[in-house]
Amino acid sequence: DQQVKQNSPSLSVQEGRISILNCDYTNSMFDYFLWYKKYPAEGPTFLISISSIKDKNEDGRFTVFLNKSAKHLSLHIVPSQPGDSAVYFCAAIPSGGSNYKLTFGKGTLLTVNP
Amino acid sequence: KAGVTQTPRYLIKTRGQQVTLSCSPISGHRSVSWYQQTPGQGLQFLFEYFSETQRNKGNFPGRFSGRQFSNSRSEMNVSTLELGDSALYLCASSLGLDQPQHFGDGTRLSIL
Repeated sequence: DQQVKQNSPSLSVQEGRISILNCDYTNSMFDYFLWYKKYPAEGPTFLISISSIKDKNEDGRFTVFLNKSAKHLSLHIVPSQPGDSAVYFCAAIPSGGSNYKLTFGKGTLLTVNP
Repeated sequence: KAGVTQTPRYLIKTRGQQVTLSCSPISGHRSVSWYQQTPGQGLQFLFEYFSETQRNKGNFPGRFSGRQFSNSRSEMNVSTLELGDSALYLCASSLGLDQPQHFGDGTRLSIL
């Protein structure tokens, strides 16, 4: 049973527009969430995280929103750039757990067209 | 500062063989985690080591094992390889709690 779901396997947006990547989770014990970006032939790179005590965290062009009641989070990239084209993974950690056991979604391939 | 280093980058084995993968964490990082990435299952947690002790373990059979050395370097071993073990194996290291994990570029294992 998948506890972290990224229902869109792919997303295509135009350069300069907003990219919105979605993630749903089922385990109510999750209280810390992270987004990773992965280019082909490279390992995932940490992007941004959010704790369950917050509903928004912003870092430059990247903003993550968390809706705990809906068990939903999203990553907004504004403005999108061609270099943002990659696979984006949502990951979660349960409360009381270490941050070493990440549960990942299956990823969304983002393509930003020039 | 050097990142997480995994060796080898690519490996081809046949069914029934065993394999050992190596991971050198970022200097100063004492926690090392291993993940398996496959197209069907995505990224799945294998196990995590801290100070030479396995602290967390995912839902993988006993054929998958690992260890960590006193210098924090870690190895992962898979015995009696099966076709389904073909995957990208990723290692990640972390400085401590509430710190994100930093990943290596992985070892691509192909089983023939």
